[in-house]
Amino acid sequence: DGGITQSPKYLFRKEGQNVTLSCEQNLNHDAMYWYRQDPGQGLRLIYYSQIVNDFQKGDIAEGYSVSREKKESFPLTVTSAQKNPTAFYLCASSIYAGMETQYFGPGTRLLVL
Amino acid sequence: SQQGEEDPQALSIQEGENATMNCSYKTSINNLQWYRQNSGRGLVHLILIRSNEREKHSGRLRVTLDTSKKSSSLLITASRAADTASYFCATDLGGGSQGNLIFGKGTKLSVKP
Repeated sequence: DGGITQSPKYLFRKEGQNVTLSCEQNLNHDAMYWYRQDPGQGLRLIYYSQIVNDFQKGDIAEGYSVSREKKESFPLTVTSAQKNPTAFYLCASSIYAGMETQYFGPGTRLLVL
Repeated sequence: SQQGEEDPQALSIQEGENATMNCSYKTSINNLQWYRQNSGRGLVHLILIRSNEREKHSGRLRVTLDTSKKSSSLLITASRAADTASYFCATDLGGGSQGNLIFGKGTKLSVKP
């Protein structure tokens, strides 16, 4: 069953805590992306990776970090430097960077305690 | 950076009616895509139209693109309650954008049975 998965579905963060959101795909896609979605808003690009061991900042990278050690995995860490982390986080992948269609995971909702 | 803007922000219709959503953008594009998002879920790709195309169909969906007006429309014919979702346009600037998509804020469609 091919697809892109995200976990957990809900995540709670305490003040000053780093949390990591998981994103895994078995589609053999080279490119992966992290987006943030606020209520009633579109998606804003946080980070993207065109290939293993490479990633680039998107429009709103401050307070976030990523790694791409394996082709199928692209975890996102929300650091304590991100002062307003409450949002819906979406991971996506595409066959390669520049391949237009992106495939999305189900999302992780991050809430601050 | 905001590229696409959907209009209207919200649309409520009866089952069986047609729904039309519009998207305007600011700069030249390589292609334009429409995605659907059910509440609290990931995005699903619906249709892609390239800059040299004027109209495209997929089932009950019809997309038009007017590059001179920098606008696109998505028509859903004979709507169903299951079409209730938010619809987003996304533009691919091509060239140095590395295939990254820029999403609008979406149109929230409600189809009443």
